[in-house]
Amino acid sequence: GAGVSQSPSNKVTEKGKDVELRCDPISGHTALYWYRQSLGQGLEFLIYFQGNSAPDKSGLPSDRFSAERTGGSVSTLTIQRTQQEDSAVYLCASSTQRLNTEAFFGQGTRLTVV
Amino acid sequence: AQRVTQPEKLLSVFKGAPVELKCNYSYSGSPELFWYVQYSRQRLQLLLRHISRESIKGFTADLNKGETSFHLKKPFAQEEDSAMYYCALRTGTASKLTFGTGTRLQVTL
Repeated sequence: GAGVSQSPSNKVTEKGKDVELRCDPISGHTALYWYRQSLGQGLEFLIYFQGNSAPDKSGLPSDRFSAERTGGSVSTLTIQRTQQEDSAVYLCASSTQRLNTEAFFGQGTRLTVV
Repeated sequence: AQRVTQPEKLLSVFKGAPVELKCNYSYSGSPELFWYVQYSRQRLQLLLRHISRESIKGFTADLNKGETSFHLKKPFAQEEDSAMYYCALRTGTASKLTFGTGTRLQVTL
């Protein structure tokens, strides 16, 4: 595809259930980022991948959150035992590792925990 | 650790008035700095980067290493500038992109 693709676009889940959010980055982009955007809040960093490894996962809010990336491409963010405070838009972005290159964002997954 | 500060959550200006969105960063080396914008119902996109020294949609931003600032400016605000603006910092090719908390710009008639 031409851009970063995230699925699903919207997800409504019951409190306590697990959810998986998917990100398809732009082909050839080695860097991949997950951010969370809550209502009235800014962009909260979650995790950063270089290839398949995650040198910085300092933004994951709790051990209920995990992410993986396989084949240097697709990434999955998993939230276990969802809570209402997990409701937010989850954004994925990818970029090359060249100097001053921009990050391209997906359209986001809006997660609502009821 | 790198940090980006955008002190204003909301900036409201009249159409035609000058705009300045503030951004300060903490990093002792040579940073890469960006401004991203998110218009209503659109995805986040790059507005400009400091290395390009370009003007995009009338916006400019100058890196001031002495003040560790990268403020975004436009001499005459337009209604279509209303959006959420994020300042971002990267400290090298192998580092993460760190965003500020964002400033919502509201341009009114």
